[in-house]
Amino acid sequence: KQEVTQIPAALSVPEGENLVLNCSFTDSAIYNLQWFRQDPGKGLTSLLLIQSSQREQTSGRLNASLDKSSGRSTLYIAASQPGDSATYLCADRNQFYFGTGTSLTVIP
Amino acid sequence: DTAVSQTPKYLVTQMGNDKSIKCEQNLGHDTMYWYKQDSKKFLKIMFSYNNKELIINETVPNRFSPKSPDKAHLNLHINSLELGDSAVYFCASRGTFYEQYFGPGTRLTVT
Repeated sequence: KQEVTQIPAALSVPEGENLVLNCSFTDSAIYNLQWFRQDPGKGLTSLLLIQSSQREQTSGRLNASLDKSSGRSTLYIAASQPGDSATYLCADRNQFYFGTGTSLTVIP
Repeated sequence: DTAVSQTPKYLVTQMGNDKSIKCEQNLGHDTMYWYKQDSKKFLKIMFSYNNKELIINETVPNRFSPKSPDKAHLNLHINSLELGDSAVYFCASRGTFYEQYFGPGTRLTVT
């Protein structure tokens, strides 16, 4: 069974700062890793998907990377904005296993 | 158009009742899921349904039963509701390239 941990659990940063969210896995046999954001009271919105043969994906100010050897994925957010405030979750194995989430607050 | 929709959005009921949550997706996907998100926001898969093949999470009580009348619908029926069933339930579907789309959630409160 895969266990997914996200660090930090909560993060508060001033607007404009670059930041990194981390996701680690107990089983390095990772495939189809996906990052989501969840706004309060809402469903999850897909941000980036890294398929088995890939190492990273980029979309706008977001960049996600995957290092299977260490069992880790990182989500990099450049020039953070207040609208980025949300909970960020990572998921592995075709969304069978979700991380514990990082609650991000970007302060104007 | 809403890609994945769920009804109802809120459901308040008493212990022992039977209830259903409906889910519909208009994306033409073959795979659909049900998830439970507890009070600590931890998201846990309950079921995965792919082209008539149901994959059950063995930790889910058999009071929970998914029903799929067709590829676009995956409903969740819950018998004999318990206090611990209170949570937000999410339906989702998955595309060809493994990207996933979530519904808005159904907040179930059992009193």
